[in-house]
Amino acid sequence: DTAVSQTPKYLVTQMGNDKSIKCEQNLGHDTMYWYKQDSKKFLKIMFSYNNKELIINETVPNRFSPKSPDKAHLNLHINSLELGDSAVYFCASSLPGLGYTFGSGTRLTVV
Amino acid sequence: SQELEQSPQSLIVQEGKNLTINCTSSKTLYGLYWYKQKYGEGLIFLMMLQKGGEEKSHEKITAKLDEKKQQSSLHITASQPSHAGIYLCGAVPVNDMRFGAGTRLTVKP
Repeated sequence: DTAVSQTPKYLVTQMGNDKSIKCEQNLGHDTMYWYKQDSKKFLKIMFSYNNKELIINETVPNRFSPKSPDKAHLNLHINSLELGDSAVYFCASSLPGLGYTFGSGTRLTVV
Repeated sequence: SQELEQSPQSLIVQEGKNLTINCTSSKTLYGLYWYKQKYGEGLIFLMMLQKGGEEKSHEKITAKLDEKKQQSSLHITASQPSHAGIYLCGAVPVNDMRFGAGTRLTVKP
């Protein structure tokens, strides 16, 4: 039983394409996140949703748009993909005061 | 934003040796998390520290948070190849989590 599941695990696509990464958690957590891990393994927060409401929106290009249809799902849609978007994207969820649970990551390669 | 500095950036040790990884914050930490990541896998939660002076252990890994809650250390005793990976510290301001740049640990048999 995967607590936080991301799909797909690997995504290879051409520049200019539009793609989505899905995330689902079955932990009953209120808050979900998207993180981007760069080539230096540094994790940077992109978005955070609490009960379907956007609460953190870091400085990311407008081409990135999160969508939360319900509190168990937080999807990431990326328009007009660029080479620099290549990275591993992690979804996570949490409850206040408790540890974060991460998905296994989606390795996006833009060619 | 909460800035976290980890040191060293990479570490190569002989199997059986002890090692320490440090994580320093520019601000007082409300909570400090340690995670481990293996290549191609997700982040594995190791432990969470919240109180000043708190110390937790899991198998051969011990983490401490100093009294001022601005520095944490992760100590591995008698390292094994299974300890190899990237160790990340993460800090929690509010509804957010920032990570250090990570420490890449290699354990030579």
